[in-house]
Order: sequence, then C-alpha cells, then structure tokens
Amino acid sequence: DQQVKQNSPSLSVQEGRISILNCDYTNSMFDYFLWYKKYPAEGPTFLISISSIKDKNEDGRFTVFLNKSAKHLSLHIVPSQPGDSAVYFCAARIGGATNKLIFGTGTLLAVQP
Amino acid sequence: DAGVIQSPRHEVTEMGQEVTLRCKPISGHNSLFWYRQTMMRGLELLIYFNNNVPIDDSGMPEDRFSAKMPNASFSTLKIQPSEPRDSAVYFCASSLGAFSYNEQFFGPGTRLTVL
Repeated sequence: DQQVKQNSPSLSVQEGRISILNCDYTNSMFDYFLWYKKYPAEGPTFLISISSIKDKNEDGRFTVFLNKSAKHLSLHIVPSQPGDSAVYFCAARIGGATNKLIFGTGTLLAVQP
Repeated sequence: DAGVIQSPRHEVTEMGQEVTLRCKPISGHNSLFWYRQTMMRGLELLIYFNNNVPIDDSGMPEDRFSAKMPNASFSTLKIQPSEPRDSAVYFCASSLGAFSYNEQFFGPGTRLTVL
C-alpha cells in the first residue's frame, strides 16, 4: 500500500525551462511534506519542505505547492539546470511526536543542455 | 563533520550467508534510521531509533532482519540468512531531535547483492 505516490518514473526537460515533479498521497494525517534529491552513488539530500498549513513554499529556484483537498503536491524548478538532473523523492510525515517519513518511489529528472 | 558513514559501500554475498551493515551517525544526532531502496518501492523505512532505543520497527520485512544501536555512535543492520530478494541499496540516516522538522541526513548507502 503506497501512501505516497510518484506516478512519473522519469521526466526530461530542456535547460532553462520549468521542471514540474508531482506527488500524490492518500493519508490525510500527513502534516509535513519534504522533497529530497539524490545523485547516483550518493545518499538523498534534503531540498525543500512545506507544512500542511501552507500551500506554497519557495526557496530560490525551487517552489513546492500543496493542494490538500486534492492530496497533491508538486515541486517546480525554474529555470532548470543540467546540475538538477537527479532522482527526486517526495516524502510525508504523519502528525504527532514521530520522526517517521513515508517516501515515494522517486522521479528521475534529466535536464538536457 | 564527516556526515553519516556507512560500511561497506558494496557487499556481494551468496544466499544463506549472514550480512552485517554498519552505520555511524553524525555526532550529536539522537535519531537514526535504516532505509532500503528498491525500484519498485522507493525508499522504505525499516526501523528507527531515538536515543539508541528502537521506536518503530514495523518496516522490518521479516525476522531475518535485525538492527541494533549499542551506543549513540554506532548501529548495525543484520540479515541472516540473506536471500536474493534482499538485494537493494540500504541507507542509514540521522537527525537531531525527535521531530521531522529536523532534517534527516543520509549516508552514501550500501549496495547489497545477494547471489
């Protein structure tokens, strides 16, 4: 039972254009959402997060949008750069005193020069 | 800081053998997590510890899997006996504090291949 779903295994975008990575979730108890980025042969690194009380969080070229009614979040990268090519994981936390994160399956982003 | 350290980076073993993966968290972090990455299921949380105590091991797939954290600077994940379906990349992560508002820092992973 995949509570966090990333339905696009891969995405290819031209350098300078917008990359949009999507994530859907099923558990309405999730209260915090994160995006992690992973390069080959390395561990994932934290990218950006959003609390369930917000609908948008921006950090430089990266913006995360949350649509609670649709149980959907997205990561926008503008403009995309070749160095952004990596696997992006969406993750969610169940509310309460827990550190437990539920991750999606990841989306491989390829930014073409 | 050196970050989260995992060893070995690669492990190839035969079915039925015991496998031990090791992790050293970032100094001062009091939460430690073991994840498994596969193509089909992405990153799955296997078990996590707070202050060296296992808090949630509901992700451990079978009794063949066990994890320990004897002190704040060391943890092991053991698979005995190993099976081909255990082949995956295993990550260890650590964080400061008990809540996920604190970022989890991942190690480079151990790629396990069971023949």
